[in-house]
This record gives sequence, C-alpha cells and structure tokens, in this order.
Amino acid sequence: DADVTQTPRNRITKTGKRIMLECSQTKGHDRMYWYRQDPGLGLRLIYYSFDVKDINKGEISDGYSVSRQAQAKFSLSLESAIPNQTALYFCATSDFNGRPGANVLTFGAGSRLTVL
Amino acid sequence: GQNIDQPTEMTATEGAIVQINCTYQTSGFNGLFWYQQHAGEAPTFLSYNVLDGLEEKGRFSSFLSRSKGYSYLLLKELQMKDSASYLCALRYNFNKFYFGSGTKLNVKP
Repeated sequence: DADVTQTPRNRITKTGKRIMLECSQTKGHDRMYWYRQDPGLGLRLIYYSFDVKDINKGEISDGYSVSRQAQAKFSLSLESAIPNQTALYFCATSDFNGRPGANVLTFGAGSRLTVL
Repeated sequence: GQNIDQPTEMTATEGAIVQINCTYQTSGFNGLFWYQQHAGEAPTFLSYNVLDGLEEKGRFSSFLSRSKGYSYLLLKELQMKDSASYLCALRYNFNKFYFGSGTKLNVKP
C-alpha cells in the first residue's frame, strides 16, 4: 500500500457542487499539505497543517477549506466548485526534525478534478 | 509567490549532461530542494542544498549559490527514463515549501 493515499483519483463534477478530496498517510508524519498543480504554474500551496490542531492558509486558499480529522487524515473541500478549480491536486506529508535532509515531502498519487 | 524561475522546457541527448537552472528573488529560506515528476505521477525527491556548494548523488548533482540567487540540477549520463519535469522548491521554517513552475526535460536518442 502507498504511504500517502488520495481518494478519489479522478472526479468530474459540475459547477456549484461540493467536493471533498481525502488524504490518508501511514508514514506517521505530523505535517500534511494540499497542493494544486496547473500546467505552466507548477505546484501551489493551498493549505498546510503541522498537527491536528494547527491549520494554515497557503498561497491560494480562497474557495477551499480543509479538515485535519486525525494525525493521519487531511481532507480538502471545495464548497462550491467552479471551472477554474479544474486541476491536479496533490496531498503531501513531511517529517520535521533537525536534519534538513529528512524534511522532504512525500506526495500522494494525485487527484484529478474536472469541474464542468 | 516566491518568484522562483525555471526554464519551461529543455531537450538533451541520451548519454549527455544537462544543467537545469533555478533562480529566485527571495530570502529567508533554509533549503533548496529538487524533485522529479514523470508525466501523470507524483513528484519524488531528488536532492537538496542547505549550504552553498555542490551536492552529488550518483548521476544527479545540485548546486546552490545564495549570494547569486540561483541553483542548478546537473544530470549526467542521461537516460531515456530521465525524461520528466524537474521542480525546484524553497523550504522555509516549519517545512513550508514553495515550488517553481518546473522544467520539462525531453531526452532524445
């Protein structure tokens, strides 16, 4: 099984619908992230969480919300989806200790969302 | 954003050496990381630099110059499987990472 699992992998929805993307991890990492990837724009940080009680906005949080239900679970919601939220979404986790080399991101396989 | 710039696309020949540059106009980061991403897949970690200088890991090396505001990833003995996008990312306190737009590398026979 993958260390970081995202569901669904693909989703097509209509404008105005509520969508939830889920992420779970077995790495035991405290830090979890949601990124969005668009062609030519790279990965942009939506939200990040350093533990269950800590949620922070990233570069592009408008139109999104998150929930950290447990250390291992971090979900991303689009309350009312719009077409320009069509993108590839990645969940990622990281450890955090004094060694910079250990603090790399481990990504899930991605969730491709299409909003019609 | 963090103004992290990378060339959009590069082409190189199998067996050759290629250098992918990353420039930035920001400060306060504590590490520069490189990730590889094959089409339709998740990014995977390649290399990182905390201090100025060259870090070598097999066929891949990464260089950082904080005073000049740039880094590069050097790929030697290119293989067809190296065709992928290469993402430069800056790490800030508490593991906040910001990415450049990535460079798509095409390796031809």
